Amino acid sequence: DQQVKQNSPSLSVQEGRISILNCDYTNSMFDYFLWYKKYPAEGPTFLISISSIKDKNEDGRFTVFLNKSAKHLSLHIVPSQPGDSAVYFCAASAETSGSRLTFGEGTQLTVNP
Amino acid sequence: GAGVSQSPRYKVTKRGQDVALRCDPISGHVSLYWYRQALGQGPEFLTYFNYEAQQDKSGLPNDRFSAERPEGSISTLTIQRTEQRDSAMYRCASSQLGRSNEKLFFGSGTQLSVL
Repeated sequence: DQQVKQNSPSLSVQEGRISILNCDYTNSMFDYFLWYKKYPAEGPTFLISISSIKDKNEDGRFTVFLNKSAKHLSLHIVPSQPGDSAVYFCAASAETSGSRLTFGEGTQLTVNP
Repeated sequence: GAGVSQSPRYKVTKRGQDVALRCDPISGHVSLYWYRQALGQGPEFLTYFNYEAQQDKSGLPNDRFSAERPEGSISTLTIQRTEQRDSAMYRCASSQLGRSNEKLFFGSGTQLSVL
């Protein structure tokens, strides 16, 4: 069963506009959520995270929102830049599983100049 | 080391052969994870270690897959009698303390092709 789902395989936005990437999860034990960014031929790199005790975490142009009741999180990038073009993975972990992460399928973001 | 290092970068093998994939985690990191990633999918958990102890191997697909981390640092993932369905990107990751609420640092992966 897919415990973390990213329903949009791809997203295309204009430079300077907002990018919104979405993620849904089913496991209520998840208490820590992360976004990873992946460029071609590289491993995923950590972008931003949020604990389940918060509903928002901001780091520069990146903000992650968590809606626990809906089991939904989103990543907002504003303003979007061409260098943000990459695959974005949502991931989640549960306290009982250490730092083991469960990943979504990824969303390919393309930011057009 | 500065980052998680995996070798080889690419591995092409014939069906039925054994392969060994190596991971050198960030120095001092307690936990080491193996993931497998199919094209167009997210990384899928295989197994992980805290120090030299294998904590969870529930993600290993079958008994042809095994992993070890004998000295709590470098790890080897071994696939015996490879099959074409084993072809994928194999990724290693490490985390500093092995606790929840920690991020993983990933290597660039080993692309395995079984012909």
